[in-house]
Amino acid sequence: DGGITQSPKYLFRKEGQNVTLSCEQNLNHDAMYWYRQDPGQGLRLIYYSQIVNDFQKGDIAEGYSVSREKKESFPLTVTSAQKNPTAFYLCASKFGRAPGNTIYFGEGSWLTVV
Amino acid sequence: AQKVTQAQTEISVVEKEDVTLDCVYETRDTTYYLFWYKQPPSGELVFLIRRNSFDEQNEISGRYSWNFQKSTSSFNFTITASQVVDSAVYFCALSEGSRVTDKLIFGTGTRLQVFP
Repeated sequence: DGGITQSPKYLFRKEGQNVTLSCEQNLNHDAMYWYRQDPGQGLRLIYYSQIVNDFQKGDIAEGYSVSREKKESFPLTVTSAQKNPTAFYLCASKFGRAPGNTIYFGEGSWLTVV
Repeated sequence: AQKVTQAQTEISVVEKEDVTLDCVYETRDTTYYLFWYKQPPSGELVFLIRRNSFDEQNEISGRYSWNFQKSTSSFNFTITASQVVDSAVYFCALSEGSRVTDKLIFGTGTRLQVFP
């Protein structure tokens, strides 16, 4: 099946540890994104990548890092520098680089820091 | 600055009622795109509709309809004869017509609860 796959669905992390969230898409989409969602709030952009080996900071990039070594993969690392990492993380992608193309989302990953 | 406002935090209706979810946006661009997404309890955001700023035609898809009015900067979403399966959080989003800042600006969402 074609789509955007995020793993793990649920993740618990101890304070001070880095954790990496996986995002894979087999839609041949060019651009990929990471959004963060907090309860009762909209989504906020962490990072995005329009082409392989290139990515840009979004609105809340501090404490996060990404890589884009392959077109289909865009992992997000939540570092210990992220002060409040407990949230729902959504990966997304879209075809082409045109600004108005539809962005499609994965099922999300819940991260809880304990 | 771009902004999307969904003033209705939560709406509760009884099945078969019609319900309208409001969305008001702000942008300085003449070219922009508007979207609606549905987020069921499972968490995934499901794409519902995309509209560009040059197309003000209203659209109907089954029980769903959208009213785009540039004069009031609104892009409202109506569900006719609501069903329990419509219960979800609905997000309105705005995208600039720019390759430089390639992102969606989301509203805070409206939680719709449909009771049987």
